[in-house]
Amino acid sequence: AQSVTQLDSHVSVSEGTPVLLRCNYSSSYSPSLFWYVQHPNKGLQLLLKYTSAATLVKGINGFEAEFKKSETSFHLTKPSAHMSDAAEYFCVVSDQVDTGRRALTFGSGTRLQVQP
Amino acid sequence: EAQVTQNPRYLITVTGKKLTVTCSQNMNHEYMSWYRQDPGLGLRQIYYSMNVEVTDKGDVPEGYKVSRKEKRNFPLILESPSPNQTSLYFCASSRTPGLAGGQVYEQYFGPGTRLTVT
Repeated sequence: AQSVTQLDSHVSVSEGTPVLLRCNYSSSYSPSLFWYVQHPNKGLQLLLKYTSAATLVKGINGFEAEFKKSETSFHLTKPSAHMSDAAEYFCVVSDQVDTGRRALTFGSGTRLQVQP
Repeated sequence: EAQVTQNPRYLITVTGKKLTVTCSQNMNHEYMSWYRQDPGLGLRQIYYSMNVEVTDKGDVPEGYKVSRKEKRNFPLILESPSPNQTSLYFCASSRTPGLAGGQVYEQYFGPGTRLTVT
């Protein structure tokens, strides 16, 4: 069985400072990992995904994440926060079972606040 | 524009009154899925469909039904809603990867339906 743990439910940063949102996962197979962002009253938007290619993945809006198998982590980072980054972020793992089921297991989310 | 649409966006209903939330996608995706989002729990899968007439239970299917008669539509049916089904619901779609190690495609999400059952 797979699982995802987002280590912080809330993160607050000042505009212009780095962002770090932490995610650990467990999976019986070679996982695919995603970060999604949800702005208030909006649906989820894909930020980036890891599917066993390069371990450092670049996404939209300056975000990137590094897959570290030895640490079972997939932390999301951004060098400089912008006010528009304030949202909820979900780390997601997808298994690759033989049935072809593409179930996604979501973390519980991290709410990012950006202070002016 | 490629999108997933859901209707209604907001719904307040009473216990036991049957309701349907519609979901439609215009990307010709084979795979569609329903999730519910509750505070502190992330999103949990209710049902999914690999293609027309092929549906299966997700992690929290109790109290829900789905159907997939057309590729583009995947309605969620609550035959007898209860207050514990008050939640934010998302429909999603994607291409279906191959079996056993196939490409994993991102899911595209609808805007959500906020349901309140009193």
